[in-house]
Amino acid sequence: GQQLNQSPQSMFIQEGEDVSMNCTSSSIFNTWLWYKQEPGEGPVLLIALYKAGELTSNGRLTAQFGITRKDSFLNISASIPSDVGIYFCAGLGPFGNEKLTFGTGTRLTIIP
Amino acid sequence: GAVVSQHPSRVICKSGTSVKIECRSLDFQATTMFWYRQFPKQSLMLMATSNEGSKATYEQGVEKDKFLINHASLTLSTLTVTSAHPEDSSFYICSASLGSRRETQYFGPGTRLLVL
Repeated sequence: GQQLNQSPQSMFIQEGEDVSMNCTSSSIFNTWLWYKQEPGEGPVLLIALYKAGELTSNGRLTAQFGITRKDSFLNISASIPSDVGIYFCAGLGPFGNEKLTFGTGTRLTIIP
Repeated sequence: GAVVSQHPSRVICKSGTSVKIECRSLDFQATTMFWYRQFPKQSLMLMATSNEGSKATYEQGVEKDKFLINHASLTLSTLTVTSAHPEDSSFYICSASLGSRRETQYFGPGTRLLVL
């Protein structure tokens, strides 16, 4: 099935640094979602974006819905150890009742 | 609120046996439940969508006779992996939706299946 490409695949950063990752698609989505998954757990929704160009924050996390509707970005400011995990983007089509299409994931590791 | 549980959290079984995984929405009634499979270092792939009281809709390539889904109530869905083989070893995650919009999915903690 279709997948969204996330970049980078993995990141090794020091605590306190900012993090940027993105998600791109060949298709248009009307809703973009960002999830975090910790080892041995299911994904947890971080941010939902519903409008092209929308910029939404959740604490130290900020996500943007790309103007072309084919991409989205997630930034984490001042990273802390509990930010470790895999971040997945997911796209949803125009009617909201289609299946979620998940990205390939970005694995974040924080170096003490 | 919106908590989804899965049981068991991990299971080891012999090849050829069947394994049942339960998914429960603890504090809400879920109109729709979803089953995903995730292989190591890979993304979540949707296996099937189930609505209470009706047959599940399987994604292309997923064998419905091998992965039996029963959605008997608005708070419980079960996935049975029949005649499991080592290649079925994976992390199985369910999610439950509050409404018709798929972004309102709440994910369970997952079940790790190892088939020997």
